[in-house]
Amino acid sequence: DAGITQSPRHKVTETGTPVTLRCHQTENHRYMYWYRQDPGHGLRLIHYSYGVKDTDKGEVSDGYSVSRSKTEDFLLTLESATSSQTSVYFCATDLSGGHGNEQFFGPGTRLTVL
Amino acid sequence: DQQVKQNSPSLSVQEGRISILNCDYTNSMFDYFLWYKKYPAEGPTFLISISSIKDKNEDGRFTVFLNKSAKHLSLHIVPSQPGDSAVYFCAASARSGNQFYFGTGTSLTVIP
Repeated sequence: DAGITQSPRHKVTETGTPVTLRCHQTENHRYMYWYRQDPGHGLRLIHYSYGVKDTDKGEVSDGYSVSRSKTEDFLLTLESATSSQTSVYFCATDLSGGHGNEQFFGPGTRLTVL
Repeated sequence: DQQVKQNSPSLSVQEGRISILNCDYTNSMFDYFLWYKKYPAEGPTFLISISSIKDKNEDGRFTVFLNKSAKHLSLHIVPSQPGDSAVYFCAASARSGNQFYFGTGTSLTVIP
């Protein structure tokens, strides 16, 4: 298994506050992804990175920003959290950007915005 | 618009019988498909994959079938075991892209 950790694992915050979630990998995978999982929606891509400082938007990127200053770390920031961003967030990595390799997922971060 | 669809939110099967989970997709550029299994409070884990050059891939009790003309894939689990109870996601990717597209998941319950 790829070594993927996420921090924090659980967070409760208030509307309007900034929140940063961290994903750390030890496998030197080039691609990293942030998803959110919501009932009835499955896993939806927020942002992804195809290298250090190289990122792109996913399906549900509004209200989120990301940064990748090192291969091993991918940060997801909610500049001003809203209740609609209450969700479970998963980080994932893969070798080849979906081309013939599976993605490896972290354990998830449960975020509650009150 | 959802490019990968799992139209059955849940499925219950008796232990020892076959479980069949279905997935449909709309993008004809998809050429690589995967199934993931997810237990509560854990991240999804890879189960099995299939390339568009094949129509079947088997790994132990798990077999994935791909019907490209119908844009449909299915996961067969034989025999089903209580430990198979989980949410199953199908996912698809295209060589021209950098991401996977996931279905909404099917919750499988295997009854002992």
